[in-house]
Amino acid sequence: GAVVSQHPSWVICKSGTSVKIECRSLDFQATTMFWYRQFPKQSLMLMATSNEGSKATYEQGVEKDKFLINHASLTLSTLTVTSAHPEDSSFYICSAGTSGDPYEEQYFGPGTRLTVT
Amino acid sequence: GNSVTQMEGPVTLSEEAFLTINCTYTATGYPSLFWYVQYPGEGLQLLLKATKADDKGSNKGFEATYRKETTSFHLEKGSVQVSDSAVYFCALAGTYKYIFGTGTRLKVLA
Repeated sequence: GAVVSQHPSWVICKSGTSVKIECRSLDFQATTMFWYRQFPKQSLMLMATSNEGSKATYEQGVEKDKFLINHASLTLSTLTVTSAHPEDSSFYICSAGTSGDPYEEQYFGPGTRLTVT
Repeated sequence: GNSVTQMEGPVTLSEEAFLTINCTYTATGYPSLFWYVQYPGEGLQLLLKATKADDKGSNKGFEATYRKETTSFHLEKGSVQVSDSAVYFCALAGTYKYIFGTGTRLKVLA
């Protein structure tokens, strides 16, 4: 089956620094990848849709300058949390589809837990 | 717009009890419907899916039927195990976005 990986699986950073999270589709090409944020004991909130070779589409209320998304290739998307603050601490999950069909199954990465101290 | 409503948890059951987690949706068109499971500290795993009305998805003893007339996709399992303890998410796919329910935490006691 389609596999999506994320790196790192967990990261601790100091307030004011930036941290980059990678999302890779290991055995398929993903034209579109999605980034979600999950707060403790809550559902997933879609942050942005990442399209290979073009700018990401951000959901309402998500700061574009704070959460930088780059989709450099058909197998890699990155999320950079800039000038991180404790309130950015969360579980970040990416997903990807294999065909770009909006009704298809998404494959989810294992998530990255970010803690900002 | 599209939305998913899931029953609130937590749900606590004894081992071998019957499980139902309700999920209803509103959507334009004919979305695909999914159930995902999340174990502590992990990402989401697909549990089952249905892509059209009257389809029944099943996996690991779990079942859910896509009911267009009632706009529902309830998750059921005849006999739960302690290892089923997790958070279950109902999701809808359409218009290039996934819409998730709020999640239902299930705790199964031995």
